[in-house]
Amino acid sequence: AQSVTQLDSQVPVFEEAPVELRCNYSSSVSVYLFWYVQYPNQGLQLLLKYLSGSTLVKGINGFEAEFNKSQTSFHLRKPSVHISDTAEYFCAVSDPFGANNLFFGTGTRLTVIP
Amino acid sequence: DTAVSQTPKYLVTQMGNDKSIKCEQNLGHDTMYWYKQDSKKFLKIMFSYNNKELIINETVPNRFSPKSPDKAHLNLHINSLELGDSAVYFCASSSHQSFGTENTEAFFGQGTRLTVV
Repeated sequence: AQSVTQLDSQVPVFEEAPVELRCNYSSSVSVYLFWYVQYPNQGLQLLLKYLSGSTLVKGINGFEAEFNKSQTSFHLRKPSVHISDTAEYFCAVSDPFGANNLFFGTGTRLTVIP
Repeated sequence: DTAVSQTPKYLVTQMGNDKSIKCEQNLGHDTMYWYKQDSKKFLKIMFSYNNKELIINETVPNRFSPKSPDKAHLNLHINSLELGDSAVYFCASSSHQSFGTENTEAFFGQGTRLTVV
């Protein structure tokens, strides 16, 4: 079975500063990895995903994530955040065998401070 | 034009009541889901339907019954509501059962905040 750990429940960061949101997963098989963003009072929106190939994945809104198999991590990064990036970010994992399910982490609340 | 729409957005009801949450997607997707997000923001799948057929049924009380009249709709009916049912319920859809295909993405509705008092 898969599980996802997001170690930081809240991350405050000043506007235009870089940010990294951490995600670690556990799985006995190869996985697909995702980052979703939830803006206030809205549903989840896909930021980016890793299926295979290049371990550095670029997504929308200037976000990117790097898949590290040896460390079982998929950390999300942005070099310069904006106020509009304030939201809840969820890491999720799926696997090739039970791939019609997404297992989510508990989320990281990113607050961008002006 | 909303891709995945849920109604109602807010639902406050008393313990013991029966309520339904409706979900519709206009994306032409084959697969639909219900997720529950608890007070700690933890999201967990409840059900998954593919072409109106139940695919995933996680450990959910029998009081919860999904109904899919057609591919575009997946409604959630809850009997005998309990305090612990209070949560945000998200409907989602995807073009494929597998999230491992390049063009597969889950689209989520805005959620229904259910409060049982």
